[in-house]
Amino acid sequence: AQSVAQPEDQVNVAEGNPLTVKCTYSVSGNPYLFWYVQYPNRGLQFLLKYITGDNLVKGSYGFEAEFNKSQTSFHLKKPSALVSDSALYFCAVRPPSSNTGKLIFGQGTTLQVKP
Amino acid sequence: EAQVTQNPRYLITVTGKKLTVTCSQNMNHEYMSWYRQDPGLGLRQIYYSMNVEVTDKGDVPEGYKVSRKEKRNFPLILESPSPNQTSLYFCASSLLQGSNEQYFGPGTRLTVT
Repeated sequence: AQSVAQPEDQVNVAEGNPLTVKCTYSVSGNPYLFWYVQYPNRGLQFLLKYITGDNLVKGSYGFEAEFNKSQTSFHLKKPSALVSDSALYFCAVRPPSSNTGKLIFGQGTTLQVKP
Repeated sequence: EAQVTQNPRYLITVTGKKLTVTCSQNMNHEYMSWYRQDPGLGLRQIYYSMNVEVTDKGDVPEGYKVSRKEKRNFPLILESPSPNQTSLYFCASSLLQGSNEQYFGPGTRLTVT
């Protein structure tokens, strides 16, 4: 079965330190990969995506993500965390063969950035 | 402003009382979808629509209906809500091509007692 795993329910980091939120996937072919962020009482906001090309993609709010095909991973990173980055982060995958447009989501990782 | 809107944002209802959650987008997107979000499960797709009058089931369609009579609107209907449908619901839309990101509404928190 196709799936997305975010192995950490919560990531804690001090403000100013680098952060990584992990994501691995089990999908055949070359899927499209996405990261979304959800702030309290808000909908999901698109951060970045990988379609093809350079393995390092840059997105909104200084976030970037590194695609690793051999490890089937798409980890979200930021060089210097801000308290305002504290939120719930979702990794999502769309199989290239999908004719439903469906995104397969991980269970989410709560990022807590402490001053 | 490009956006997806949902109404109501919060709803408490009783078992069996039909309800509709509206969703509207102003981006002329062909694709629209409904998800439910439950703790520890991420988001799961309920129904989706590729275009007007074209709808299909997602992963968890039981107990839900949808319609797509106009391109901008995609209401979610619960004919006879049950407590296991208590959840946070999101509507999303995108251009049809699979590489496009989806835009999400603000969510509707539904409680069925």
